[in-house]
Amino acid sequence: DVKVTQSSRYLVKRTGEKVFLECVQDMDHENMFWYRQDPGLGLRLIYFSYDVKMKEKGDIPEGYSVSREKKERFSLILESASTNQTSMYLCASRARQGRVSPLHFGNGTRLTVT
Amino acid sequence: AQKITQTQPGMFVQEKEAVTLDCTYDTSDQSYGLFWYKQPSSGEMIFLIYQGSYDEQNATEGRYSLNFQKARKSANLVISASQLGDSAMYFCAMREPYNNNDMRFGAGTRLTVKP
Repeated sequence: DVKVTQSSRYLVKRTGEKVFLECVQDMDHENMFWYRQDPGLGLRLIYFSYDVKMKEKGDIPEGYSVSREKKERFSLILESASTNQTSMYLCASRARQGRVSPLHFGNGTRLTVT
Repeated sequence: AQKITQTQPGMFVQEKEAVTLDCTYDTSDQSYGLFWYKQPSSGEMIFLIYQGSYDEQNATEGRYSLNFQKARKSANLVISASQLGDSAMYFCAMREPYNNNDMRFGAGTRLTVKP
């Protein structure tokens, strides 16, 4: 079974802090994704990466950056956390090949910025 | 731009009955994939079913089936014989291989199964 692990289930940070959300997958997947989930808005894509050191902006990249130094790890960085970044953050991975190739998700990190 | 639309924020269904969750999408590509995910209250996202744009038959996986109407750009999820454990959020998603291969999700539908 594919395992996608997010380092924290719950996180509370102060406004202005630099925040790192870590995600590790163990299936050698090329593609990794960061989404945020908000009620009524579903999942919105922040950033994704299709290879080491590669990154692409999703729909809402403002206020976020990412890092992919190793294939298995994809980090989401909030350079200066703000209260409007309070949300559930979901990491996912997927194999590049394969017609079906669904996303495999981590359990999420619920971030609260006060 | 919104590409996936789920117009039902919440749905109720009686146990053992069938229910249809609506999903419409917008794309100019001929090749794309449609996915449905289930998110129970525990928060995990569970992949349910996939439909490729070139698949001639509607996808089925156990009690889940997809009513795919390509001309209408709709991919509705049908759950037959609802069970209490089906109560969850359901998300429709689309992947466009020629659009950076990422995946976009709808806002979701919260399904509640009544005993």
